[in-house]
Amino acid sequence: GNSVTQMEGPVTLSEEAFLTINCTYTATGYPSLFWYVQYPGEGLQLLLKATKADDKGSNKGFEATYRKETTSFHLEKGSVQVSDSAVYFCAISMDSNYQLIWGAGTKLIIKP
Amino acid sequence: EADIYQTPRYLVIGTGKKITLECSQTMGHDKMYWYQQDPGMELHLIHYSYGVNSTEKGDLSSESTVSRIRTEHFPLTLESARPSHTSQYLCASSEYSGRGPAYEQYFGPGTRLTVT
Repeated sequence: GNSVTQMEGPVTLSEEAFLTINCTYTATGYPSLFWYVQYPGEGLQLLLKATKADDKGSNKGFEATYRKETTSFHLEKGSVQVSDSAVYFCAISMDSNYQLIWGAGTKLIIKP
Repeated sequence: EADIYQTPRYLVIGTGKKITLECSQTMGHDKMYWYQQDPGMELHLIHYSYGVNSTEKGDLSSESTVSRIRTEHFPLTLESARPSHTSQYLCASSEYSGRGPAYEQYFGPGTRLTVT
C-alpha cells in the first residue's frame, strides 16, 4: 500500500546550522507531496507542496524537491533559527483518494 | 489563511461525561476530517466526511461519533468520556486545489482533552 517514511527525531541542531529532514514514500500512482509544520500547542500548517516530478516547493526559507526517481521529498533549510523548533510532517495525496497519508513526524529542536 | 475553528481549545472533564468538540470552517470545503494526536506525535484519522450527511470512520477505531448536517460544521461527540480518551483532537478540511491530485488540508488549532 501507499506509505510515507520520515527521519526519526528528535533532530537537534544549533542555530544557523543546515537542516535536512528525510522523507521517502511508496505509492502506486503519482502523488502530490506536502510538508506540514506543527508548532507547540497548535494545529498543523501547510509549509510547502509539490505536485509533479522536479517541482520545488519553498516557503519561509525551507525547500523540498519532488524526486520521482528516488521517491523522496527531503526538507531542507540553509540556516535554521530557534523559531523553527517544531514537529514536521511529510504527507502524500493520491488522486484516487481525498485523504492524506502521513509520516510519523520529526521533532526539530534548535538550540541558540 | 485558512479559516477553521475549534472549540474549546482546552477541556478537562470527569469520567462518564458526554462531550462535544466543535469544528467549523468558513471556506465552503466539502471534505472534513477529525484526527487524534498525542502532542507532537503521529496523526491518526478517526472520522471523515465528504459532504453533508456523509460520514465515515477512519483508520483508528474510536468510540466517538460525528455528524455533518451543514457543510461548515463537523462536531465530534463522546457519549461517555474515559481517561483513555485523553488526547489532542485536530479538525481539518480540504478542497481540490485545481492542480493535480493536491488535496491539501487546512487545520484548526486543536482541542486538548483531559479526562480525569
